[in-house]
Amino acid sequence: ETVLTQSPGTLSLSPGERATLSCRASQSISNSYLAWYQQKPGQGPRLLIYGASSRATGIPDRFSGSGSGTDFTLTISRLEPEDFAVYYCHHSWTFGQGTKVEIK
Amino acid sequence: EVQVSESGGGLVQTGGSLRLSCAASGFTFRSSAMSWVRQAPGKGLAWVSGISATGGSTYYADSVKGRFTISRDNSKNTLYLQVSSLRAEDTAIYYCAKHVGYCSEGSCYFDYWGQGTLVAVSS
Repeated sequence: ETVLTQSPGTLSLSPGERATLSCRASQSISNSYLAWYQQKPGQGPRLLIYGASSRATGIPDRFSGSGSGTDFTLTISRLEPEDFAVYYCHHSWTFGQGTKVEIK
Repeated sequence: EVQVSESGGGLVQTGGSLRLSCAASGFTFRSSAMSWVRQAPGKGLAWVSGISATGGSTYYADSVKGRFTISRDNSKNTLYLQVSSLRAEDTAIYYCAKHVGYCSEGSCYFDYWGQGTLVAVSS
């Protein structure tokens, strides 16, 4: 079973800054089937990125995904106030532990 | 518009049972695999169970195997999770999620999620 490790645990940034979130897999993920989700308090998760780099419907282009093999990255180019949330990576039956993006 | 909506959660004593339901609309339910994912208070997401589009294949996390049963009624566009022999560590919000692809083959993601239903297990 693949283990996903996200870093950092918390990212403290200001609106307008760039956020870089990492997800590392314990073994290579074939065909880059790695997804990213955003979750805000009191809400269910929302799909942001699938296939490592494809944006889901309606997701702004400030969100981008990259990577392959065991190392994947979610980048938010310029943080908007509504982007402060928790982000999870996901492969098959496994989720990472999450990265919280908080206002500095 | 795609919608999935969970219900059936509540407060239950250790060892008790509940049946969770997930009503789906806005997509061809009988063609979509589905999963249940839970989130303990203040914790991250944890996959619990999945089921193929026809219901012929089911999958469980080791932590719930033998205690939880996933099923679906494609005529009612509804997904179920029977949770039994509940323990304190089963306390969580339970989400249903629609699949794209095949998690059993390592090639899937969850494109729509509900708002969740809370299961609280007390001793």
